[in-house]
Amino acid sequence: KAGVTQTPRYLIKTRGQQVTLSCSPISGHRSVSWYQQTPGQGLQFLFEYFSETQRNKGNFPGRFSGRQFSNSRSEMNVSTLELGDSALYLCASSLVPGGGNTEAFFGQGTRLTVV
Amino acid sequence: AQKVTQAQTEISVVEKEDVTLDCVYETRDTTYYLFWYKQPPSGELVFLIRRNSFDEQNEISGRYSWNFQKSTSSFNFTITASQVVDSAVYFCALSEAGGKLIFGQGTELSVKP
Repeated sequence: KAGVTQTPRYLIKTRGQQVTLSCSPISGHRSVSWYQQTPGQGLQFLFEYFSETQRNKGNFPGRFSGRQFSNSRSEMNVSTLELGDSALYLCASSLVPGGGNTEAFFGQGTRLTVV
Repeated sequence: AQKVTQAQTEISVVEKEDVTLDCVYETRDTTYYLFWYKQPPSGELVFLIRRNSFDEQNEISGRYSWNFQKSTSSFNFTITASQVVDSAVYFCALSEAGGKLIFGQGTELSVKP
């Protein structure tokens, strides 16, 4: 069974640009969550999608957005990139939403560097 | 508010030593879930264990064991006879029912041969 796939693995962008990251969940999983990992702030929740609907959102500015498609694949977009957006972005998939109610399986992440 | 504290930032041990990673959590809910994840250099978070707040039974899985104590709001993780392959960053996390994962800052474990 294929795991969670995130593309691209590495990305370098310039300040002010926008970026789109992709996540393909485990087959059959309908919930996708996104997390940002930085040395200073650690792992922080961005948002969660289930059945194409955003179910939960973390404390991030509106420059961070996401969506989920009918096949459960998800994308997150960051507009007007800032240096502080440099981070490892992790995607997690689970059968159902709700964090603790089920196991969440993570992808290897996309390492975004903003210069 | 929910919070997870992993006071140990870095731990270094020699192979075959036992090591315990501490985790203390805060929550006002009576229903919640606790997790441990391992993050090797490759970056992905590897699920190790999930515990719900009503199950205080300790668990052992091979060289890994977990001690959940609601009285002290702790969920500690012990690796027995550590191996070099155990070197990684370990995260403790908390989730209230239906909620997101709140992670601790992580403990970087280095096991030297």
